[in-house]
Amino acid sequence: DIVMTQSPDSLAVSLGERATLNCKSSQSILYTSNNKNYLAWYQQKPGQPPKLLIYWASTRDSGVPDRFSGSGSGTDFTLTISSLQDEDGAVYYCQQYFSTPWTFGQGTKVEIK
Amino acid sequence: EVQLVESGGGLIQPGGSLRLSCEASGLTVSDNYMSWVRQAPGKGLEWVSVIYRDGNTYYADSVKGRFTISRDNSKNTLYLQMISLRAEDTAVYYCASAYSGTRISAYWGQGTLVTVSS
Repeated sequence: DIVMTQSPDSLAVSLGERATLNCKSSQSILYTSNNKNYLAWYQQKPGQPPKLLIYWASTRDSGVPDRFSGSGSGTDFTLTISSLQDEDGAVYYCQQYFSTPWTFGQGTKVEIK
Repeated sequence: EVQLVESGGGLIQPGGSLRLSCEASGLTVSDNYMSWVRQAPGKGLEWVSVIYRDGNTYYADSVKGRFTISRDNSKNTLYLQMISLRAEDTAVYYCASAYSGTRISAYWGQGTLVTVSS
């Protein structure tokens, strides 16, 4: 099974500042035949289902603000929130869909300082 | 507009069985990768199972042999049959559907709570 490890577990960032969240997979999730990384990022707020933010490691989902960006390839990935807003306080999860089981990271909690 | 509505959760005794349903609208269950994801109280997301478009099914080790994912194309509904339930199966169970032709879980239901307790 591919293990997804996120860091840090939590971080507190001031409004307008940058937040950087990391996700590492235990093996490459880059499918070489199509050069796509099978990685998604989700945002979850209390009492709500996860919301898709980013897929293919760097493609923003429709309607997601451009302050959210994803990068990385192979085994190391990053979600960056360029200028933190009040509504960005949430838990963020990465997930690989390269091979079953489609594992999630443990989550990173972002708090507004 | 895509909607996924889960039902069937509730309080069940250890060792009991339960069947969750996920009724879909705005998409065709049989045309998409459909999965179940759960979240224990105060914990992170745990992937449970997926049914591929070709009908192949896959499970997390924690539920293999106890849970069965299936779909009813005529009702456009996804199911999760759960047997031999344990306290550690207590969670909100979410149904998710991928974007057409991909494995990207883009659409999520609101979830249904399963509580396993005596």
